[in-house]
Amino acid sequence: GAVVSQHPSWVICKSGTSVKIECRSLDFQATTMFWYRQFPKQSLMLMATSNEGSKATYEQGVEKDKFLINHASLTLSTLTVTSAHPEDSSFYICSARAGLQPQHFGDGTRLSIL
Amino acid sequence: AQSVAQPEDQVNVAEGNPLTVKCTYSVSGNPYLFWYVQYPNRGLQFLLKYITGDNLVKGSYGFEAEFNKSQTSFHLKKPSALVSDSALYFCAVRARKAAGNKLTFGGGTRVLVKP
Repeated sequence: GAVVSQHPSWVICKSGTSVKIECRSLDFQATTMFWYRQFPKQSLMLMATSNEGSKATYEQGVEKDKFLINHASLTLSTLTVTSAHPEDSSFYICSARAGLQPQHFGDGTRLSIL
Repeated sequence: AQSVAQPEDQVNVAEGNPLTVKCTYSVSGNPYLFWYVQYPNRGLQFLLKYITGDNLVKGSYGFEAEFNKSQTSFHLKKPSALVSDSALYFCAVRARKAAGNKLTFGGGTRVLVKP
């Protein structure tokens, strides 16, 4: 089946640093990639949608300058959390889709900001 | 706006018994419907989808779901639950002509299968 690889799986860093999370579709070309945030015991909150080669579309309330998304190719999207603070600590999950096929998800990145 | 409701926060079932996880949806037009499962500290794994055709959809790991248009429901079922089925289950809907084709998730239902 379709495989989405997300890296790193866990990151701990100091407040004020920037963190980059990678999301790769390993065996298909992802025309659309999605970034979600999940709080403990809650559902997924869509942060942004990106199509290859174009700017990401952010959901209301998500700061685009805080969460930089790059979708440079059909197999790679990155999320950079800039100047991270403790309130940015969360579980971030990427998802990729080819056309109208089901979305496939990465294993998530647990981000802890000290 | 589209929405998904999973009325049960948690479902407890004994191993070997049937498992049902409920889902109702609201969307304009015909829906695409999905079920995903999430294990601790992992992303979501795709279980099954309804696009068109037979209302009973069979998916991975022995799960199936029945699309009921009149009741706007898409309940997930498994005839005989396993302890390893204990996880968090999400129902999701996407309108066929939604701008951006975004998935909307339900709040999730935690399934606990006891030996």
